[in-house]
Amino acid sequence: DIVMTQSPDSLAVSLGERATINCKSSQSLFYSSNKKNFLGWYQQKPGQPPRLLIYWASTRESGVPDRFSGSGSGTDFTLTISSLQAEDVAIYYCQQYFGSPRTFGQGTKVEIK
Amino acid sequence: DVQLVESGGGLVQPGGSLRVSCAASGFSFSEYQMNWVRQAPGKRLEWISHISSSGYTVNYADSVRGRFTVSRDNAKNSLYLQMNNLRAEDTAVYYCARDKWVQLFDYWGQGTLVTVSS
Repeated sequence: DIVMTQSPDSLAVSLGERATINCKSSQSLFYSSNKKNFLGWYQQKPGQPPRLLIYWASTRESGVPDRFSGSGSGTDFTLTISSLQAEDVAIYYCQQYFGSPRTFGQGTKVEIK
Repeated sequence: DVQLVESGGGLVQPGGSLRVSCAASGFSFSEYQMNWVRQAPGKRLEWISHISSSGYTVNYADSVRGRFTVSRDNAKNSLYLQMNNLRAEDTAVYYCARDKWVQLFDYWGQGTLVTVSS
């Protein structure tokens, strides 16, 4: 199985400041045929199901604010919240959809400082 | 709007069985592949099962293969997960999730809690 490891486990950021979450996969998620990275990011607020934010490592899902951005390739990926808002308090998960079974990171909890 | 509503969770003894359901609305259910993803307390999300749009192709995680069976009824816009020989480690919130493609999940239900305990 592809192991997904996120860092940090939690972070506290002031309102309006940048939050950066890292995700590392145990093998490359880059598919040379379509030149895409099979990596997605989800947001899970307390008591709610996950919400898809980003796919192909950097493509925002419809309706996702542009303060959320994804980057990276191969085995190292980053989710950035450019200006943290109160409603962004949540746990964020990365997920690979390259290998079977699909696997998730352990989650990163984002709080307000 | 796309809606997925799970039901059927509850308390079951080890070795017991339970069937959870997911009612879909707001989209053409028969055109989409579907999945079950679970989340044990304090643990990461775990994909456990996938079913093709027709229902002919199914896949399972090793942790549930041979004990869980996924099925669907496209006429009823419903997805099911039959869980047999339940173990304490199956305790989790079970989510049904729509497949955007290749098991990337674009819509999720609110989940149903399954607790396996004596």
